[in-house]
Amino acid sequence: QVQLVESGGGVVQPGRSLRLSCTASGFTLSPYGMHWVRQAPGKGLEWVTFIWYNGTNKYADSVKGRFTISRDNSKNTLYLQMNSLRAEDTAIYYCARGAGSSAAVFDFWGQGTLVTVSS
Amino acid sequence: DIQLTQSPSFLSASVGDRVTITCRASQGVSSYLAWYQQKPGKAPKLLIFAASTLQSGVPSRFSGSGSGTEFTLTISSLQPEDFATYYCQQLNSYPLTFGGGTKVEIK
Repeated sequence: QVQLVESGGGVVQPGRSLRLSCTASGFTLSPYGMHWVRQAPGKGLEWVTFIWYNGTNKYADSVKGRFTISRDNSKNTLYLQMNSLRAEDTAIYYCARGAGSSAAVFDFWGQGTLVTVSS
Repeated sequence: DIQLTQSPSFLSASVGDRVTITCRASQGVSSYLAWYQQKPGKAPKLLIFAASTLQSGVPSRFSGSGSGTEFTLTISSLQPEDFATYYCQQLNSYPLTFGGGTKVEIK
């Protein structure tokens, strides 16, 4: 069955970096667009970034220039490199598979990994 | 950016009730709208896409309608497992955006 497992979350100081991973199983990552979506504690959902099968990507303004999405199809793994972290980046980060012709519907989600930015 | 406004933000209902949640977009999104259900401590789950198409495995008591700027999610007969928070999401244009959520609680 389709499964997405995130890892790499933790507590990090403001201004520091963190890299999240999302390992897919039960399907081949390569033809799919993939997303990162985050949720601050007690808040709603916020789309963060997207990468197409060919590497084309998009970012929310709140993370543009600080976060980088990438993928290694040979490892069936999605990544999120987060630099210059801020307190407002504190959230659960979910990876999600994109469905449909635009890959903009999230049909499968991981369980999430918590990132806490605090001194 | 397209803003999505959900109403109500909180809803108290009983098992068996018919429940309707509204999502209004700040500009037209055609039928490029999805609905998700999220239970505490869990990831969201896709319920409906293309405004009215039920995702595989989702019970038929869930339905969606609308196009343009106004959309509704209806639960025809609320079940105990339906108590959760519901989010709409537009996929018409980037950045993808979500509504603020509607929490459905037991009356």
